Parts: sequence; C-alpha cells; structure tokens
Amino acid sequence: GEDVEQSLFLSVREGDSSVINCTYTDSSSTYLYWYKQEPGAGLQLLTYIFSNMDMKQDQRLTVLLNKKDKHLSLRIADTQTGDSAIYFCSGRNAGNMLTFGGGTRLMVKP
Amino acid sequence: GEEVAQTPKHLVRGEGQKAKLYCAPIKGHSYVFWYQQVLKNEFKFLISFQNENVFDETGMPKERFSAKCLPNSPCSLEIQATKLEDSAVYFCASSQSVEGTDTQYFGPGTRLTVL
Repeated sequence: GEDVEQSLFLSVREGDSSVINCTYTDSSSTYLYWYKQEPGAGLQLLTYIFSNMDMKQDQRLTVLLNKKDKHLSLRIADTQTGDSAIYFCSGRNAGNMLTFGGGTRLMVKP
Repeated sequence: GEEVAQTPKHLVRGEGQKAKLYCAPIKGHSYVFWYQQVLKNEFKFLISFQNENVFDETGMPKERFSAKCLPNSPCSLEIQATKLEDSAVYFCASSQSVEGTDTQYFGPGTRLTVL
C-alpha cells in the first residue's frame, strides 16, 4: 500500500509564500491530491495533479510533482490568515481508495 | 443533494454500547467511502461501496464494524460494542465513479466519543 509522509508544521508570515512538501511510496498512484481541513470541518479538495504532469497552477496554488523522487509539493502564493489549516497530501490507488499523509499544520502570522 | 451529509455531528457512547453513523452521498454519486480520522490526524480507509455493493473493505476491522448502503436510504456505519479506541471522527466521501478525474467529496464528519 501507499505510504505518504508530510512534515507536521509550517509557520509563515502573511503575504509570504508557503511550501508544503509530501513524499509518497506508491509509484502507481494515478492521481495525487491536496486537501485542506479547517478546525472542526471536513476535507476540502484544493487541487489535484495527474501522475504524468510535472506542474499544475490554479490561481494562488502551484503543485509540483517530481515522479522520480516521489515528491509532491503545494505552494501557496501570498498566504493569507484564512489559509491557516491542516493540509493533507493524498494518493489514489486503482481502487479509488485514498491514502493520506499525516497532515501539515500551516500557521499564518499577521 | 449537492453536499455529502453526515449525521449526527457528534455522538457520545459508553464503552460497550452500539454506535450508528449515517451518510447521504451527493445525488448521482455511485461510490461511497468511509474513513476514520484518529487523534493524530491520521486517516484510515475503512470501506467503500459501489451503489449497494461493497467495493473495497480492506480497511474494515473484522469484528464489531459493519456498513451498509441500501437503495433509497442513507448509508450507515455501525460499531457494535464500542471501545475507547473507536473514538475518532468518521468521514464519509462520495464520488461519481472511480475513473478519470472524479474526485471524492467529503462530508463534515461525525465525531464519536467513547467514554
């Protein structure tokens, strides 16, 4: 099965860029996702990338995929206090089961 | 509906009691998934359904846990004889299919506390 690992915590200042990193083990993952979880809430899909892509940009979000190193990153430009949340990296296997990393808590300081 | 609905929002049970959680997928979605999020934010896949049929149950504990998705009814996850370690947030997700870019949309979760 898939193992997905993320750093636990990231702190940035408002207006700076945030980069959240993720490594995964299963090279057969077809899609990789970033979800956001705010306190007491469910998971909100932010963006996804297909495994044959290197990069995907969606407004303030940029996803970079290094398939050789099995490394995925999420860059948030111009980070706002409303971006404070836990961010989960996830891979999807052939059965559509998602495997999640432990989440990175992003704290944005004013 | 347009969102995955889960009830109840919170559920408190004494150890040994039964717990039953419900999930209504987004209308038109054929697949339903159950995940368990424990204290350290770890998500564990439990079971998935394609309509009323079990699609993948590799994460489902062999004992005490059962789940159903019956036609014209919310899906349910039932835990018999709850234990302290069952305390977690249980998330339901649904998707249209398992093809292409179809992603899973998550409900708000049910927080189960076992005392």
